[in-house]
Amino acid sequence: GENVEQHPSTLSVQEGDSAVIKCTYSDSASNYFPWYKQELGKRPQLIIDIRSNVGEKKDQRIAVTLNKTAKHFSLHITETQPEDSAVYFCAASRSSGGYNKLIFGAGTRLAVHP
Amino acid sequence: DVKVTQSSRYLVKRTGEKVFLECVQDMDHENMFWYRQDPGLGLRLIYFSYDVKMKEKGDIPEGYSVSREKKERFSLILESASTNQTSMYLCASPPVGESGTYEQYFGPGTRLTVT
Repeated sequence: GENVEQHPSTLSVQEGDSAVIKCTYSDSASNYFPWYKQELGKRPQLIIDIRSNVGEKKDQRIAVTLNKTAKHFSLHITETQPEDSAVYFCAASRSSGGYNKLIFGAGTRLAVHP
Repeated sequence: DVKVTQSSRYLVKRTGEKVFLECVQDMDHENMFWYRQDPGLGLRLIYFSYDVKMKEKGDIPEGYSVSREKKERFSLILESASTNQTSMYLCASPPVGESGTYEQYFGPGTRLTVT
């Protein structure tokens, strides 16, 4: 079935360093790839997303890249800050009528140390 | 501001009990989803609904059922709770269509413990 693999499961960086989280997906028809951030005790929230017609998207310190041929996409966080510490989830989906069924990765726990 | 609420933040039930988890959204969205979140497994889709009285199985529907009698309310039912259903349950509701993102607005979650 459809699957999304996410690596690494944990990531520890020093404040100011960059962090990269990678995901691969199995369904070649997937066309939408969001990233969610979940802070401790809070609900997941969308931080950035990318559609299959775009190779890269950037929003301030975060960026996402997509390689459709290899079926993988990555989240890049530059100049990390302690408030970036959270669990990050990637997801993949394809449009199906009026709804979008997301397949999530297992999550990456990012710790940014001052 | 989209609001998705869940009836309980914490719930403790005994094995074999019937459990109801309620989710309400106030944005008139057609779609509503139930996920469970477990460490190392991410968010897994249990059931979703794309309209009143319409439902579809997700990836892990066994042991669960759902009810959508009104557009704003989507209930997850554990017919006979078991210890392996101890988990965090998240409800989500996204807008429909190509107008923007397909952002899933999540509820605060219900941490269910089955003893």
